[in-house]
Amino acid sequence: KAGVTQTPRYLIKTRGQQVTLSCSPISGHRSVSWYQQTPGQGLQFLFEYFSETQRNKGNFPGRFSGRQFSNSRSEMNVSTLELGDSALYLCASSETSASYEQYFGPGTRLTVT
Amino acid sequence: DQQVKQNSPSLSVQEGRISILNCDYTNSMFDYFLWYKKYPAEGPTFLISISSIKDKNEDGRFTVFLNKSAKHLSLHIVPSQPGDSAVYFCAASEIGGTSYGKLTFGQGTILTVHP
Repeated sequence: KAGVTQTPRYLIKTRGQQVTLSCSPISGHRSVSWYQQTPGQGLQFLFEYFSETQRNKGNFPGRFSGRQFSNSRSEMNVSTLELGDSALYLCASSETSASYEQYFGPGTRLTVT
Repeated sequence: DQQVKQNSPSLSVQEGRISILNCDYTNSMFDYFLWYKKYPAEGPTFLISISSIKDKNEDGRFTVFLNKSAKHLSLHIVPSQPGDSAVYFCAASEIGGTSYGKLTFGQGTILTVHP
């Protein structure tokens, strides 16, 4: 099976802009979680989607949002970008929302200037 | 409030010897624990996991030990190989529907295995 794919791999944006990141889970996986990784805060949970529904949300401002499509592909959006949003954004998939093992994609490196 | 802690930022080991990576947690609601390995410019790779009802799980060269009373787990790699050099993350998942899809990660330990 193909692994989790994320596009784009690298992105440079300016403060105030918005960005959309895409994630395609492993075939058959229905749960998609998103994480932000920064040197200072480490890996932090953003949100999780299952069957097109957001089931869980981390402690991030409302500028961070996401959605999931009927084919389980997911997107996350960050509006009004701030310098502090520069990070590696990781998507992970698992078979169901009750599965603990998550399989990660390579990430999207976002740089905000 | 860091609920999962990896107190050793780095560990250096000779090839062929044992690598022991440690992790402590504070949240007693955690019921499942995982170890991930991460190379630069790649996403974390799942290594091994353990349920809170067990105290040991083994997979090839990797063994995870869980001490619930001490809220401590460790990953043993035997024998260590240079290809094991990476950042290792401990992660935990909590019981209950409010924690769907959420893993709480430690800060990571950089393992370097010298030939």
